[in-house]
Amino acid sequence: AQKVTQAQTEISVVEKEDVTLDCVYETRDTTYYLFWYKQPPSGELVFLIRRNSFDEQNEISGRYSWNFQKSTSSFNFTITASQVVDSAVYFCALSAQNQAGTALIFGKGTTLSVSS
Amino acid sequence: EAQVTQNPRYLITVTGKKLTVTCSQNMNHEYMSWYRQDPGLGLRQIYYSMNVEVTDKGDVPEGYKVSRKEKRNFPLILESPSPNQTSLYFCASLRTGLLNTEAFFGQGTRLTVV
Repeated sequence: AQKVTQAQTEISVVEKEDVTLDCVYETRDTTYYLFWYKQPPSGELVFLIRRNSFDEQNEISGRYSWNFQKSTSSFNFTITASQVVDSAVYFCALSAQNQAGTALIFGKGTTLSVSS
Repeated sequence: EAQVTQNPRYLITVTGKKLTVTCSQNMNHEYMSWYRQDPGLGLRQIYYSMNVEVTDKGDVPEGYKVSRKEKRNFPLILESPSPNQTSLYFCASLRTGLLNTEAFFGQGTRLTVV
């Protein structure tokens, strides 16, 4: 079975604080993909990053960074020096392909509130 | 431009009145899927399709139907909507590949059933 767990339901921080959003996944597949999406108050889903299971390099994009660790089945997302515009719901997702086909499943999301 | 188009964006309807939410993608993807999003529950999969004429139930299929007569379209049908189907719905198509698997989402349909 495949599963994505985002244990943090809500996080509140003050501007300029760093914040890490946790994501733990479960899959038996050896080839899989992990994603992070941002959902601002307007409702659309905005793609942030994709990581392949065979590429454990961490990635940094501006104030965003991602830490992928296969040993702990985690794909955590850190926002450095948070801003009010970072307030959103963030979803972690898992996609895997196997003999049964393709699946794309999501965690329940973490609501991040950044106050000024 | 590569995109997934959902219509309508907003819909208010009454209990029992059949409705269809359309979804179309222009990327020739084989895999398409419908999700509903409810507070505290994340995105839950309703139905998915791996190719034309191939559909399968997701986690919450009750009260919904889908069809996949052609690759680009994957409509979601509510034969007799009920208030518990009030939700935000997303259609997605998935590009699958060893190095470039990626999901593309429609803008969402906010459905209210009264």
